[in-house]
Amino acid sequence: AQSVTQLGSHVSVSEGALVLLRCNYSSSVPPYLFWYVQYPNQGLQLLLKYTSAATLVKGINGFEAEFKKSETSFHLTKPSAHMSDAAEYFCAVSATNTDKLIFGTGTRLQVFP
Amino acid sequence: KAGVTQTPRYLIKTRGQQVTLSCSPISGHRSVSWYQQTPGQGLQFLFEYFSETQRNKGNFPGRFSGRQFSNSRSEMNVSTLELGDSALYLCASSLDRGEGGYTFGSGTRLTVV
Repeated sequence: AQSVTQLGSHVSVSEGALVLLRCNYSSSVPPYLFWYVQYPNQGLQLLLKYTSAATLVKGINGFEAEFKKSETSFHLTKPSAHMSDAAEYFCAVSATNTDKLIFGTGTRLQVFP
Repeated sequence: KAGVTQTPRYLIKTRGQQVTLSCSPISGHRSVSWYQQTPGQGLQFLFEYFSETQRNKGNFPGRFSGRQFSNSRSEMNVSTLELGDSALYLCASSLDRGEGGYTFGSGTRLTVV
């Protein structure tokens, strides 16, 4: 069975500061891992995905995440926050033999000027 | 390349009615999944279709059903609507097994009054 835990339902940073959103997963099989972003009244936009290739995954808008099997983590980072990064972020896990995504509870990112 | 199209964007229905939501996947994508998003329960998997067959189903009552057509378009139906069915319903398409990632539509906002 797969599960995802996102630590921190709200994260606030200043513009230009480092963004770190935490995600830990549990999976009985090698996982596919995803980060999605959701803006108000919108669907989910894929930021990046890990599918057992490189452990450091680069995504869109300057985001990246590192898969650490020993820590069962897949934290999302961005060196310098922009006001436009304010949104809700979801980490998700999928088993390799199904299309079912298991989502975390989400982290709302606020960026202050 | 057109994205995932969900129609309608907004719906208001009365308790006891039924509703049908539509999802057109990205061209060439054969897998369509449906998710329900609510403030209380977050993002929950409803079901997934591949080549007109339901391949996976979440833990929802039988009032929630779906189907997929030969052109990969999918519909979901909710019968005997309850107030608690008010949610954002999201559809996601992928090639298969998440290799290419899951692309979400903008969702259908259903309000049951």
